[in-house]
Amino acid sequence: AQSVTQLGSHVSVSEGALVLLRCNYSSSVPPYLFWYVQYPNQGLQLLLKYTTGATLVKGINGFEAEFKKSETSFHLTKPSAHMSDAAEYFCAVSNSGGYQKVTFGTGTKLQVIP
Amino acid sequence: DSGVTQTPKHLITATGQRVTLRCSPRSGDLSVYWYQQSLDQGLQFLIQYYNGEERAKGNILERFSAQQFPDLHSELNLSSLELGDSALYFCASSVVGNPNTGELFFGEGSRLTVL
Repeated sequence: AQSVTQLGSHVSVSEGALVLLRCNYSSSVPPYLFWYVQYPNQGLQLLLKYTTGATLVKGINGFEAEFKKSETSFHLTKPSAHMSDAAEYFCAVSNSGGYQKVTFGTGTKLQVIP
Repeated sequence: DSGVTQTPKHLITATGQRVTLRCSPRSGDLSVYWYQQSLDQGLQFLIQYYNGEERAKGNILERFSAQQFPDLHSELNLSSLELGDSALYFCASSVVGNPNTGELFFGEGSRLTVL
């Protein structure tokens, strides 16, 4: 079984401040990990993903995430928040191999305060 | 634009009714996934099809069914609708049946309101 826990359903940051969205996963086999973003009235789109190799993954719009196996974490960060980053962010996990479904976290809504 | 098309975008219906949601995947994508997003349940995986065959099943109610047609479009049928079925239903597609090696491309969703 696999699962994802996102800490904090709502996060507020000031424009220009560090963005940190937390994600912890549970998986019985090496996981594949994803961050998706959902802007209002839109579908989800991929920000970044970790499959194998380098544990620090860079995505679009200046976001990055680090896979830490010892902490079972895949936190999303961005050094400086922009107003356009306001959206809902979903962490997701999938087991490597096979036709496994992707399990999404409950999402974190990011508010950016001017 | 993800390339995944969902219709209708909005649908309002009454309890006990039946509706069909349609999804056209990106050109070349063989796999289609259906998700339900509601305020209290978050994003829930319903079902996955690959090249016309069911590949994985999630928390899909017996009142719901889906299929993928030879042209790869998919339909999600929701019957005996209840108030609690009100939600945003997303379709996503990917190139291969295994989602692990690639990303999911999501449509903009079909918002179902059951009155």
